[in-house]
Amino acid sequence: QKEVEQNSGPLSVPEGAIASLNCTYSDRGSQSFFWYRQYSGKSPELIMSIYSNGDKEDGRFTAQLNKASQYVSLLIRDSQPSDSATYLCAVNTLGGYNKLIFGAGTRLAVHP
Amino acid sequence: AAGVIQSPRHLIKEKRETATLKCYPIPRHDTVYWYQQGPGQDPQFLISFYEKMQSDKGSIPDRFSAQQFSDYHSELNMSSLELGDSALYFCASSGEHVTEAFFGQGTRLTVV
Repeated sequence: QKEVEQNSGPLSVPEGAIASLNCTYSDRGSQSFFWYRQYSGKSPELIMSIYSNGDKEDGRFTAQLNKASQYVSLLIRDSQPSDSATYLCAVNTLGGYNKLIFGAGTRLAVHP
Repeated sequence: AAGVIQSPRHLIKEKRETATLKCYPIPRHDTVYWYQQGPGQDPQFLISFYEKMQSDKGSIPDRFSAQQFSDYHSELNMSSLELGDSALYFCASSGEHVTEAFFGQGTRLTVV
């Protein structure tokens, strides 16, 4: 079992819809959770961080964390074609104080 | 704002040669991570440093070594290069206690 798992997609949504991206992790002691957006051939760009259970909203993005279920999600409201990218979930694992473990990423395609 | 700087951006080497990748973290960031990303794959954690000491180690081959210097910049040394080492190599930095990590633009290494 991978430490951080995501559906690879592609997830295809129409412009203006809500895109829902999911991530599960195996280390119950994980403390920090991040969502990165990566365009092809470019470096990952941090878009959301979340540390406690519940929802965190930033503009069109909402991160949701449920530590009991070891689940973190990212919602993108009013999806735009420019949101088309790979979204990487990253988790700081308890065993490695300075190690971020990435999921394989979910490819999102927003079509006009 | 200053970002993570990586050099060179592109590098072409022949098999069995040696390569050195450099990373300059964001000012006042004391933690550096190195990741390798093959085509269509998620970033794979190689190694991290905190306050100039190695803090965690991932799937870094024995042919690779890295260090963090007194000015906090880091270098990844890769010897006996193989075709399979061709990838994007990202460096990221973060502040104390693993807050958000920010990535450099990456170095694209091609081994021929």
